[in-house]
Amino acid sequence: SQQGEEDPQALSIQEGENATMNCSYKTSINNLQWYRQNSGRGLVHLILIRSNEREKHSGRLRVTLDTSKKSSSLLITASRAADTASYFCATDAGQAGTALIFGKGTTLSVSS
Amino acid sequence: DAGVIQSPRHEVTEMGQEVTLRCKPISGHDYLFWYRQTMMRGLELLIYFNNNVPIDDSGMPEDRFSAKMPNASFSTLKIQPSEPRDSAVYFCASRQGFRPQHFGDGTRLSIL
Repeated sequence: SQQGEEDPQALSIQEGENATMNCSYKTSINNLQWYRQNSGRGLVHLILIRSNEREKHSGRLRVTLDTSKKSSSLLITASRAADTASYFCATDAGQAGTALIFGKGTTLSVSS
Repeated sequence: DAGVIQSPRHEVTEMGQEVTLRCKPISGHDYLFWYRQTMMRGLELLIYFNNNVPIDDSGMPEDRFSAKMPNASFSTLKIQPSEPRDSAVYFCASRQGFRPQHFGDGTRLSIL
């Protein structure tokens, strides 16, 4: 069963624009992670934010976390055609040994 | 540094046949996960292991599915007998402790 739900399901933008994707989840978490999946490939980890953090940056990526609203957002600034991929949020419930539960993802298309 | 290796990359077989998917996790990783990805259901966790021991197999859809991890460097997911609704991309992932997961590139399975 999905814990995280991404919004929107699909997003199309031009190169240079910013892309924002949102994730909502249902239960308390230890951390939330974002992954990227290029077509025909496995998922690749992008960034992890812990439940006691509110914002985190990594290069052109900015992630926010609002535990009171059980939501997170991923912002990709100055997008490039190479950012075209599906993006997934995944939650870690925090108990020892639990697995990540993934949402259905947001498909991002960046056109040049 | 080799990543998670899955084989075969593609498998096409007729319904009723036995299918075996293979995974070699990253050396030193103590967790191994099997996921199934479809358009309709997204990325579903099937089963995961910790130190070669199955921890949670509640995501395994039916008794037709079985998974083993005979040692730290090898795992199999078996479907017997296979059905058309089993067609999906199957991913294996591994991780060390509570660090982010590393995914293989998946096995695209088509049951005719």
